Amino acid sequence: DSGVTQTPKHLITATGQRVTLRCSPRSGDLSVYWYQQSLDQGLQFLIQYYNGEERAKGNILERFSAQQFPDLHSELNLSSLELGDSALYFCASSELVRSETQYFGPGTRLLVL
Amino acid sequence: QQQVKQSPQSLIVQKGGISIINCAYENTAFDYFPWYQQFPGKGPALLIAIRPDVSEKKEGRFTISFNKSAKQFSLHIMDSQPGDSATYFCAASWVYNTDKLIFGTGTRLQVFP
Repeated sequence: DSGVTQTPKHLITATGQRVTLRCSPRSGDLSVYWYQQSLDQGLQFLIQYYNGEERAKGNILERFSAQQFPDLHSELNLSSLELGDSALYFCASSELVRSETQYFGPGTRLLVL
Repeated sequence: QQQVKQSPQSLIVQKGGISIINCAYENTAFDYFPWYQQFPGKGPALLIAIRPDVSEKKEGRFTISFNKSAKQFSLHIMDSQPGDSATYFCAASWVYNTDKLIFGTGTRLQVFP
């Protein structure tokens, strides 16, 4: 158990809908990262937050957004969902803005029908 | 230039054998090379990592070999066990780009008794 929690575990929704994925980092970790894992794209970095501020952006679509709250939990919002957004979404956390080890949560499996 | 190429896509090894997974990169600014292990239904977990100032790092049955001039690094699993059956991802990151991890495409390892 990495200490990173993600909810929900599974999510089934329809095209055009909006969903929110939630992540609680390990106790004491200030950095949160979001990754998307799909069969054809592998693990892709989406975005990083450090202590409430956006730190780095990867291949995140404009339809997706994230934020990190004062209690350090983070939410990833996915809107206008398309079939191709079906994937596993992982949250990871680390202690500092640059830490060698990122601890991954169990993921949220999103299925868009 | 930001890609990390990983091979093979899948690997079948007999118990007690050596599993070898290879990765190659282009960006010479990369300065941290971790390997992650992912079991079905779980998030990736850090297995072992290396920096470019050493050519080899060993932790138990797991060894990373690093060839800076060839821009390649590999994971060796000695005395492979059925419990090692998982998907393995190599990754890379660099100091001027925070902790964003660039992942390889993954290798599915199956170890048969």
